[in-house]
Amino acid sequence: GAVVSQHPSWVICKSGTSVKIECRSLDFQATTMFWYRQFPKQSLMLMATSNEGSKATYEQGVEKDKFLINHASLTLSTLTVTSAHPEDSSFYICSAPRGGPSETQYFGPGTRLLVL
Amino acid sequence: QKEVEQNSGPLSVPEGAIASLNCTYSDRGSQSFFWYRQYSGKSPELIMFIYSNGDKEDGRFTAQLNKASQYVSLLIRDSQPSDSATYLCAVMSNAGKSTFGDGTTLTVKP
Repeated sequence: GAVVSQHPSWVICKSGTSVKIECRSLDFQATTMFWYRQFPKQSLMLMATSNEGSKATYEQGVEKDKFLINHASLTLSTLTVTSAHPEDSSFYICSAPRGGPSETQYFGPGTRLLVL
Repeated sequence: QKEVEQNSGPLSVPEGAIASLNCTYSDRGSQSFFWYRQYSGKSPELIMFIYSNGDKEDGRFTAQLNKASQYVSLLIRDSQPSDSATYLCAVMSNAGKSTFGDGTTLTVKP
């Protein structure tokens, strides 16, 4: 069964609004979670590493003020897309390593965001 | 040079044949290697992982790793139409960060 959940699975919003996506590890704790973005017919691109109890680490080119990450607990990380624009429309996927940072990554089902 | 490169697709094989997917990586310090399958519109699902040189078999899937050549492959025996998907190679560094290849799209024709 699923070990990582995401909510919502679909979001349609108007340009300028903020959208929050939740990622939860089910029946295991994750001090680290990863957020990816995938555009159609492209590979996964790591956006940031979410760290429980400390600030997220962002990849080069990812605006940390636009993509706010909060690792609120050992089972929950949230990604907030602030002031979303149509170019932010994408498939957002989180993952959590089970067993520590170097263990196998389990992916959530993804959240498809469409900004009108 | 990309950190993780996969053989360009799409790859098409007849049902029952062996599908061979290849991946090379640039970071010699990489420790863990993963193959994921991604169906259209879905998130990736883990097929296999391999840490040590050699072959690792799981059912119809065999992963092969050669760290000296910085090469990892996935063989799918007795390919089925349900195997049609995009296969992603992922390489994990010591820091626990995964880098993905662009993926190879496989089509298994009945």
